[in-house]
Amino acid sequence: DQQVKQNSPSLSVQEGRISILNCDYTNSMFDYFLWYKKYPAEGPTFLISISSIKDKNEDGRFTVFLNKSAKHLSLHIVPSQPGDSAVYFCAASAGSGYALNFGKGTSLLVTP
Amino acid sequence: DAGVIQSPRHEVTEMGQEVTLRCKPISGHNSLFWYRQTMMRGLELLIYFNNNVPIDDSGMPEDRFSAKMPNASFSTLKIQPSEPRDSAVYFCASSIRGTPGRYGYTFGSGTRLTVV
Repeated sequence: DQQVKQNSPSLSVQEGRISILNCDYTNSMFDYFLWYKKYPAEGPTFLISISSIKDKNEDGRFTVFLNKSAKHLSLHIVPSQPGDSAVYFCAASAGSGYALNFGKGTSLLVTP
Repeated sequence: DAGVIQSPRHEVTEMGQEVTLRCKPISGHNSLFWYRQTMMRGLELLIYFNNNVPIDDSGMPEDRFSAKMPNASFSTLKIQPSEPRDSAVYFCASSIRGTPGRYGYTFGSGTRLTVV
């Protein structure tokens, strides 16, 4: 049963524009949400996280928004750059004793 | 720090053969995770260890899969016998226990397994 869902398998955005990647979850016990970025032939790398007590976290060009009532989070990349082209995974944790649940990923392509 | 080290990077084997994947976590990390990535299922957790003890192996597909962590610096994932449907990229990751939600895991580069 997929508790973390990324319903868009791919997204294409022009360089300089905003990229918005979406993620939905079903488990109300999740307390931390994370985004990972993955390039081909490499392992996923941690990008940004947000606690369930917040609704926004920002780190440079990357901002994650959390809407707990809708069980939805999104990652905004502004401005998008060609180097951002990668697969982005949404993940969630239900507490320190539990492993991360990952979505299936969204492949982002930023075109010049 | 060399990061999480996995070997081999690529493995091609024939159906029915035994396959062993290896992982060296980051020194000081006391949680270790094995994930499998496929197109159909994305990144799915197979098993994880805290302080070398298996905590949750509910994601291990079947008895053909086994994992061990004999010490804090080494873990193996074994498939015996291997089948074509086991073809996937297998990732090992490590973290400091109690922090995966805040700081995430550090992943290795993965082992691409092909069973023919």
